[in-house]
Amino acid sequence: QKEVEQDPGPLSVPEGAIVSLNCTYSNSAFQYFMWYRQYSRKGPELLMYTYSSGNKEDGRFTAQVDKSSKYISLFIRDSQPSDSATYLCAMKGGTSYGKLTFGQGTILTVHP
Amino acid sequence: DGGITQSPKYLFRKEGQNVTLSCEQNLNHDAMYWYRQDPGQGLRLIYYSQIVNDFQKGDIAEGYSVSREKKESFPLTVTSAQKNPTAFYLCASSIRQTSNRADGYTFGSGTRLTVV
Repeated sequence: QKEVEQDPGPLSVPEGAIVSLNCTYSNSAFQYFMWYRQYSRKGPELLMYTYSSGNKEDGRFTAQVDKSSKYISLFIRDSQPSDSATYLCAMKGGTSYGKLTFGQGTILTVHP
Repeated sequence: DGGITQSPKYLFRKEGQNVTLSCEQNLNHDAMYWYRQDPGQGLRLIYYSQIVNDFQKGDIAEGYSVSREKKESFPLTVTSAQKNPTAFYLCASSIRQTSNRADGYTFGSGTRLTVV
């Protein structure tokens, strides 16, 4: 069993839809949770970063962490064709120096 | 502009050859990382370095080697011992991570390696 599980999709939605992307994890030591966006043939870029449980909002994006369920989510409101990318969750424990563990990535397509 | 530069963008390797992928950063980051990305597998850590002249194996280090002689540079050599090297290779950097903090990585644009 992988430490971080993420449904690879692909996920296809119409423009304007609300998108929900999710990851589950097994390592209870994870405390730092991130979402990266990766456009085709490019490196990932950091989108959202949360520490421990709770919600964080940034424009159309909301990140949620539920440590009791070992479940994290990224919501995209009013999705746009420019949101079409692969979304990767990543997480890190308090004792693992610098080592992020990534999910498999979910491929999202937002069609006009 | 600060960032990470990976070169070359595309690389072709013959069977039995060693090849070296370049990664240079001007972000003044202490830590640097190499990941391999395969379809459906996400990013898997090959090697990482928290400081100059020190590096650690990641989850899939077999068949790879690195050096960290300068803060700005972290080259990755894919040796002939790596049986399935065709993949997208990503280099990243960050400030030095500790047990009570974490910061996001800055990634390069990647090198696509193909065995011919």
